[in-house]
Amino acid sequence: DAGVTQSPTHLIKTRGQHVTLRCSPISGHKSVSWYQQVLGQGPQFIFQYYEKEERGRGNFPDRFSARQFPNYSSELNVNALLLGDSALYLCASSLAGSGRTEAFFGQGTRLTVV
Amino acid sequence: KQEVTQIPAALSVPEGENLVLNCSFTDSAIYNLQWFRQDPGKGLTSLLLIQSSQREQTSGRLNASLDKSSGRSTLYIAASQPGDSATYLCAVWSRGNEKLTFGTGTRLTIIP
Repeated sequence: DAGVTQSPTHLIKTRGQHVTLRCSPISGHKSVSWYQQVLGQGPQFIFQYYEKEERGRGNFPDRFSARQFPNYSSELNVNALLLGDSALYLCASSLAGSGRTEAFFGQGTRLTVV
Repeated sequence: KQEVTQIPAALSVPEGENLVLNCSFTDSAIYNLQWFRQDPGKGLTSLLLIQSSQREQTSGRLNASLDKSSGRSTLYIAASQPGDSATYLCAVWSRGNEKLTFGTGTRLTIIP
């Protein structure tokens, strides 16, 4: 069975540009969450979606947005990129969104803003 | 607000030794605690999940314990191998939240 897949794996963007990151959860999983990990830190929560509805939002500016599609895949969009947005973006999938089930992470997308 | 702490930040031990990684959290109202492994520049690999009602979980050479009342968890690695070298992260899912809260990790180096 395929695990959580994220695309692209690496990305270089210029300040002010827009970026879209994609995530496909494990088959049967209905919850997708996004996390940002800067070097040397633990991942920080950005969004959670369950059954195509936003269930939680972390302390990130409105430049960050996300959505979940009918097939449960998800996109994370970041507008007006800043140098500080450079990070590893991680997607996690789980069966339910309640925290009672195990979270599985993808390999991440490394975003570099120059 | 839930806070997760992992000490030490880095640890080096000779191959073959048993070792313990520590994780503490401030709010005991949790659904579960999860231990992850992260290789440099890579994603997270789930190692063990402990539900709030459980005291420990085992997988191969790994054993994780949970003391919810004191806000502590340990990850025990037996007979360490160079391939165990990685950063180990613990994370908790708190009741009333919709997210995992992570510690900053322990970078483990096993010396051949």
